[in-house]
Amino acid sequence: TQLLEQSPQFLSIQEGENLTVYCNSSSVFSSLQWYRQEPGEGPVLLVTVVTGGEVKKLKRLTFQFGDARKDSSLHITAAQPGDTGLYLCAGAGQFYFGTGTSLTVIP
Amino acid sequence: EAGVAQSPRYKIIEKRQSVAFWCNPISGHATLYWYQQILGQGPKLLIQFQNNGVVDDSQLPKDRFSAERLKGVDSTLKIQPAKLEDSAVYLCASSLAGGFPYNEQFFGPGTRLTVL
Repeated sequence: TQLLEQSPQFLSIQEGENLTVYCNSSSVFSSLQWYRQEPGEGPVLLVTVVTGGEVKKLKRLTFQFGDARKDSSLHITAAQPGDTGLYLCAGAGQFYFGTGTSLTVIP
Repeated sequence: EAGVAQSPRYKIIEKRQSVAFWCNPISGHATLYWYQQILGQGPKLLIQFQNNGVVDDSQLPKDRFSAERLKGVDSTLKIQPAKLEDSAVYLCASSLAGGFPYNEQFFGPGTRLTVL
């Protein structure tokens, strides 16, 4: 089983602050996806990264895939209350989801 | 475009009872997935269908869980008999084809199961 460890597990910040969430594995992935899940809803895909070292930006969100394709990070600039949710990374091949980071942005 | 539909949204049962969940995927999506998400954890894949055939059910506890997708469209997931540790949200997702990483999965809202 390929394990995806995410850190931190919980994060509570004030509106306007920056934050970074990490997704790490001992296994190499051909690609990796990030999802956001709001309470009472299913996860929604944010981005897919496929190349080692790749950086993708989605408005205030910046995603990076590690050079060795074993890790990834999600950076949010100037967090807003609407960013609140559970952030999940998922590895390629069989559908392995990470342990999740629960983010709360306080107005 | 209608999303993935699931019912019921909530279910409370006692241990050793049976329960069934229903999922209707997005029209035209050949691949359907069932996940179990325990509170505070990421989803765990239980079973993947391609049309009406099973692609992967390696993490499905087959002594108590079963799933079918008879006509390659909607699907049911059954638990019989339920245990306390089955309390979780059961998510259904669908995609155009099973090829990861470029194929986006669309998730339903889930069914929250509580086993007392």
